[in-house]
Amino acid sequence: DTGVSQDPRHKITKRGQNVTFRCDPISEHNRLYWYRQTLGQGPEFLTYFQNEAQLEKSRLLSDRFSAERPKGSFSTLEIQRTEQGDSAMYLCASSNRDSFGNTIYFGEGSWLTVV
Amino acid sequence: GQNIDQPTEMTATEGAIVQINCTYQTSGFNGLFWYQQHAGEAPTFLSYNVLDGLEEKGRFSSFLSRSKGYSYLLLKELQMKDSASYLCAVRGVNTGFQKLVFGTGTRLLVSP
Repeated sequence: DTGVSQDPRHKITKRGQNVTFRCDPISEHNRLYWYRQTLGQGPEFLTYFQNEAQLEKSRLLSDRFSAERPKGSFSTLEIQRTEQGDSAMYLCASSNRDSFGNTIYFGEGSWLTVV
Repeated sequence: GQNIDQPTEMTATEGAIVQINCTYQTSGFNGLFWYQQHAGEAPTFLSYNVLDGLEEKGRFSSFLSRSKGYSYLLLKELQMKDSASYLCAVRGVNTGFQKLVFGTGTRLLVSP
């Protein structure tokens, strides 16, 4: 069990550029989540996948954001035309129906700074 | 919708006991979680309660009262490494079975 891994860990980009984050969940976890966290706040839910199907999407996820999980394994989160307000830590998490309480386990996060 | 309240900050002394409270409002309830988050790091799972009562795990315990919409996390024999933010999260039925909604977190500072 190698845990949830995310890449890159840090990204600095200019406003207007596109960025993509990758998440590899814990192996055999079929559920995958993206959250966003800003300083002093708790994580905010963005979207949820069960296998390759995107089953839930927050209103926070504007049309500049898109997430995919094409083969039900790794996932990508793309932000187009980045804005300064997108600066945050993007957290990926995964879970398995059989895990205790369907507990979700987070990756180390991808820090985005938009300048 | 859901609303989760927890104190913003608490301080305590090494070796002491501290209780971090969390109150929540939700039209459905399907579990309450506590996570620990050190500065700049991802949240790590501490505890899960779905039935009323106390769950104990080493130095950490978590309590739930569903009728009162109330939980607390109890940390005993505090250590310096316990300085972190503690996040209360609730999974509500009407927000989608799989989604956790987090509070803003309680920052705990443990001093010598």
